[in-house]
Amino acid sequence: KAGVTQTPRYLIKTRGQQVTLSCSPISGHRSVSWYQQTPGQGLQFLFEYFSETQRNKGNFPGRFSGRQFSNSRSEMNVSTLELGDSALYLCASSLGTSVSTDTQYFGPGTRLTVL
Amino acid sequence: AQTVTQSQPEMSVQEAETVTLSCTYDTSESDYYLFWYKQPPSRQMILVIRQEAYKQQNATENRFSVNFQKAAKSFSLKISDSQLGDAAMYFCAYTRVSGNTPLVFGKGTRLSVIA
Repeated sequence: KAGVTQTPRYLIKTRGQQVTLSCSPISGHRSVSWYQQTPGQGLQFLFEYFSETQRNKGNFPGRFSGRQFSNSRSEMNVSTLELGDSALYLCASSLGTSVSTDTQYFGPGTRLTVL
Repeated sequence: AQTVTQSQPEMSVQEAETVTLSCTYDTSESDYYLFWYKQPPSRQMILVIRQEAYKQQNATENRFSVNFQKAAKSFSLKISDSQLGDAAMYFCAYTRVSGNTPLVFGKGTRLSVIA
C-alpha cells in the first residue's frame, strides 16, 4: 500500500506570494490533518479535513486555508507569505474514525522557505 | 488547554545501552491517549507506541516501553538496547478520548546514538 505523499517536497517563495501544498493520503483513509513544524514551536496543528469537511482547526490566521477533494486528497494554501511561514509542513492521514485509536500516518513533508 | 512538555531538548545514548525520554502533560480529562512518535532524519514521522489512560499496564513494543504515571501526569519512553537506527526526534503527544480533537505534541527530544 502506498504511503502518504506530499508535493512538492521543497519550495522557495518570496514574501507576499501565495503557495499551495498537496497531500495524497493512503488509499481508504478519509481524514487528512496538516501540521506546521518549526524548530522553535515544534509541531502545531493547522487543520483536519474529513470527508471534504473541515472537522478541526488550529490557531492560525486566515491566511492559512485548506480543502479536501472527493478522493480524499487535500491541499493547503498560504496567502501573503511572511518570513515566519518558513517551516516543514506535514500532512497525516488516517481512517478518520477516532483520533485516539486510529493511527496517523505522516508524509515526508514539504519544506517551505520564504525569502 | 492541554499541554505536553518535553523537558529534554537533546539526549544521547551509547549503542546497546538504555535511555529514557521524559514527557509530562496537563489535562483535566480522565480518559485520554498518549503517544510517542519518532521522526528520523529522513523526516517521515512514525508512531512508536500508544497508551490509553484507563489501562494500568504500561504499553510495550519490542525494545520500546513506557512508564505511565497517571497521578503525576508523566509518560516517559524507555528505549532498551539502543541501536543506531533509533537516532531521531521523538515527540510525545496527547489526545482526549471524547470528540475527535487533534493531537497535541510536545516540542520533541533529539536523541543521538553513539557507536
